Amino acid sequence: DAMVIQNPRYQVTQFGKPVTLSCSQTLNHNVMYWYQQKSSQAPKLLFHYYDKDFNNEADTPDNFQSRRPNTSFCFLDIRSPGLGDAAMYLCATSRDLGFLDHEQYFGPGTRLTVT
Amino acid sequence: AQSVTQPDIHITVSEGASLELRCNYSYGATPYLFWYVQSPGQGLQLLLKYFSGDTLVQGIKGFEAEFKRSQSSFNLRKPSVHWSDAAEYFCAVGTGNQFYFGTGTSLTVIP
Repeated sequence: DAMVIQNPRYQVTQFGKPVTLSCSQTLNHNVMYWYQQKSSQAPKLLFHYYDKDFNNEADTPDNFQSRRPNTSFCFLDIRSPGLGDAAMYLCATSRDLGFLDHEQYFGPGTRLTVT
Repeated sequence: AQSVTQPDIHITVSEGASLELRCNYSYGATPYLFWYVQSPGQGLQLLLKYFSGDTLVQGIKGFEAEFKRSQSSFNLRKPSVHWSDAAEYFCAVGTGNQFYFGTGTSLTVIP
């Protein structure tokens, strides 16, 4: 009965080679988030989708893009991964915006290695 | 700017001992405060949250946290730790639609 699923759990890519990370949810939530968590650092919000509306955080590099083809799926595309993009990428969902009232549900994460 | 500090990177406690994980925040008004736990290979799970009212908040898995405005703190406590509590713990602060995590405290439980 997994609710937020991330595939793959571990991804290795080469420097500069585009990579896509996948997230799916069975909760039918309106909002999906992508966080980046580097080693020994706090998770950092990259962007979120409210339904089909995309919201980018101000300091998210252009190298990171996202797609949400339907309610259930959201993808994180890294166009030209650098060594500094190696991190754990966490997907989360919430029923609506305003996390104060709507708990975020997190997936297990995808650990990205860049060689 | 808002920030969250977890001073202890790693803590080791014996099973059955009490636990306190520290969290300090920086924000002009009363923030909304959260504690999450991340078990190995798992996603983040919400333990408890504070919005207003009673400053002692009860959460899941026997955890509680106390909001102390004078100390800008929101420390997490558990009276008796179980081996299954070994995990990474994150404090977070939220304002409006902005959300900030601390860097986490890794808990090891020894028999």
